[in-house]
Amino acid sequence: SSELTQDPAVSVALGQTVRITCQGDSLRTYYATWYQQKPGQAPVLVIYGKNNRPSGIPDRFSGSSSGNTASLTLTGAQAEDEADYYCSSRDSSGNHLDWVFGGGTKLTVL
Amino acid sequence: QLQLQESGPGLVKPSETLSLTCIVSGGSISSGTYYWGWIRQPPGKKLEWIGSMYHSGSTYHNPSLKSRVTISVDTSKNQFSLKLSSVTAADTAIYYCARHILSMDAFDIWGQGTMVTVSS
Repeated sequence: SSELTQDPAVSVALGQTVRITCQGDSLRTYYATWYQQKPGQAPVLVIYGKNNRPSGIPDRFSGSSSGNTASLTLTGAQAEDEADYYCSSRDSSGNHLDWVFGGGTKLTVL
Repeated sequence: QLQLQESGPGLVKPSETLSLTCIVSGGSISSGTYYWGWIRQPPGKKLEWIGSMYHSGSTYHNPSLKSRVTISVDTSKNQFSLKLSSVTAADTAIYYCARHILSMDAFDIWGQGTMVTVSS
């Protein structure tokens, strides 16, 4: 199956911009989906498709993609954005009906 | 507002079958084009998709777990279930149920999760 690779940890100063990346062969075919997970809570969908936010997700979250790399950009990070972020995509190596997750990136807001 | 709630034993013995149920409230499990999925997360580790099912019976499974996984839907009770057979300590995890929108490749609504420990 395909693998998605994320940096284990990233930090950002309060109010600054940070990019969290996700690499994998499946991202050449499919968009990444991004989830935010705070300690002890279930994941929350933040970005899907080309760059779509579910209702209630602040517009400081945005997504982009180039080649085998997808990015989640947080413009003007807030303290409440400190969390683990996971990318996911459909697996392009098999029947294209499996879904895989990246290892997650722990975002620290300084 | 749609809500999902997992239920089931928190402790399962090795080699036995893990059984969990996800109760859907605030909407019908049979409406729309939604699939219903299970995802798990071992303590301190990443998320792993287990499988997803449509109310009509169409099911997709993680190939690495496929031989041990059974997902079923009970539309009369508005719930769906997961059975994972021959469990080992490696199956210890928080198990989440979620609504799966295939066209978006997204799990948009999640349950709170339930911790299952495999131990004798």
